Amino acid sequence: GDSVTQMEGPVTLSEEAFLTINCTYTATGYPSLFWYVQYPGEGLQLLLKATKADDKGSNKGFEATYRKETTSFHLEKGSVQVSDSAVYFCALSGPLMNRDDKIIFGKGTRLHILP
Amino acid sequence: DSGVTQTPKHLITATGQRVTLRCSPRSGDLSVYWYQQSLDQGLQFLIQYYNGEERAKGNILERFSAQQFPDLHSELNLSSLELGDSALYFCASSVSGASNSPLHFGNGTRLTVT
Repeated sequence: GDSVTQMEGPVTLSEEAFLTINCTYTATGYPSLFWYVQYPGEGLQLLLKATKADDKGSNKGFEATYRKETTSFHLEKGSVQVSDSAVYFCALSGPLMNRDDKIIFGKGTRLHILP
Repeated sequence: DSGVTQTPKHLITATGQRVTLRCSPRSGDLSVYWYQQSLDQGLQFLIQYYNGEERAKGNILERFSAQQFPDLHSELNLSSLELGDSALYFCASSVSGASNSPLHFGNGTRLTVT
């Protein structure tokens, strides 16, 4: 079945460091891909999305490119801030035409940024 | 603020008891999802409703049930509670219920079973 695998955390970086959180997926067809972020004490929020191969999603300095050839959707940011400390979830969903498709989340990667 | 409201924020109860969690979706959203988040299992999809009808079912136990009412709010009922049911329960909503429609999450209900 469809699945999402993301790097295990916690990931600890210093402020202004470059961030990469790896995400790979297994899916039939052409899924949509998402990154969600969960700040302490809050629910998940959509960070960015991509709906087809080679699409780049971006938001708040974060970017991820939908790579069909490597079935990956790695999250990157050039210079992280303390306020980026959170748990990041990679997720996928099936094609629009299948309305029964579920949204599948990875286990989450905790990111801790040191000042 | 996502616009999704969950009550209560915290719930402490004993094994064997029954609780009800409530969710009001974002205005205009027709679909409601329930997720369970625990440290060892990550974020597990439980069930989805669309405009009052059950749309999809995930890893929901038989002791758990849910419904979506005509005003679109939803309730998740957990019965015969066990220690292992202690977790964060999230409600999310989306406009269409299509799987590539972004989800808007509430802040969750933390359930502690003692």
